[in-house]
Amino acid sequence: AQSVSQHNHHVILSEAASLELGCNYSYGGTVNLFWYVQYPGQHLQLLLKYFSGDPLVKGIKGFEAEFIKSKFSFNLRKPSVQWSDTAEYFCAVNARTGRRALTFGSGTRLQVQP
Amino acid sequence: GAGVSQSPRYKVAKRGQDVALRCDPISGHVSLFWYQQALGQGPEFLTYFQNEAQLDKSGLPSDRFFAERPEGSVSTLKIQRTQQEDSAVYLCASSLSREGTGELFFGEGSRLTVL
Repeated sequence: AQSVSQHNHHVILSEAASLELGCNYSYGGTVNLFWYVQYPGQHLQLLLKYFSGDPLVKGIKGFEAEFIKSKFSFNLRKPSVQWSDTAEYFCAVNARTGRRALTFGSGTRLQVQP
Repeated sequence: GAGVSQSPRYKVAKRGQDVALRCDPISGHVSLFWYQQALGQGPEFLTYFQNEAQLDKSGLPSDRFFAERPEGSVSTLKIQRTQQEDSAVYLCASSLSREGTGELFFGEGSRLTVL
């Protein structure tokens, strides 16, 4: 079975600070990796995804994530956060074959102070 | 429609009541997923449809939970004899991808409170 761990439950940053949110997954096979974001009062939306190729993927709004296979990690980064990045961030994984359902982490609530 | 639509947005039920939650996916989307999100947790998978076929229902927590998508578009999640532990936000998501590997588009969810 797949599992996803997000160790930072609540992160508070000032505007212009750099962000890194940790994500580790557990699964024996090949996976697809995702970061979803949920802004206050809105639905979940895709931030970025990794299927194959360059392990450094770039998403919307200046976010990027790096897949490190040896560490089973897919950490999310942004060099300089803005107040509008205040949201909850979810890492998710699904298997390349077999069960297609996404397994989500428990989420990280990011609060950016102006 | 423009996005995934779910109704009702909020539902309060007395313990023991049956509830039905509706999901209207994006037109033409083949894959449809239901997730349950408890307070402070990430979404947890309930069930998956490819068109009208329910290909995976391994996440349904008990036989009180039932989902259908009879014509391959609108889906209904039914919970019979609701219990307090059923209180959660129920999310529906759809995808154009037949294999469920493409981007998932989520609805805003139906928040169920069981008293």
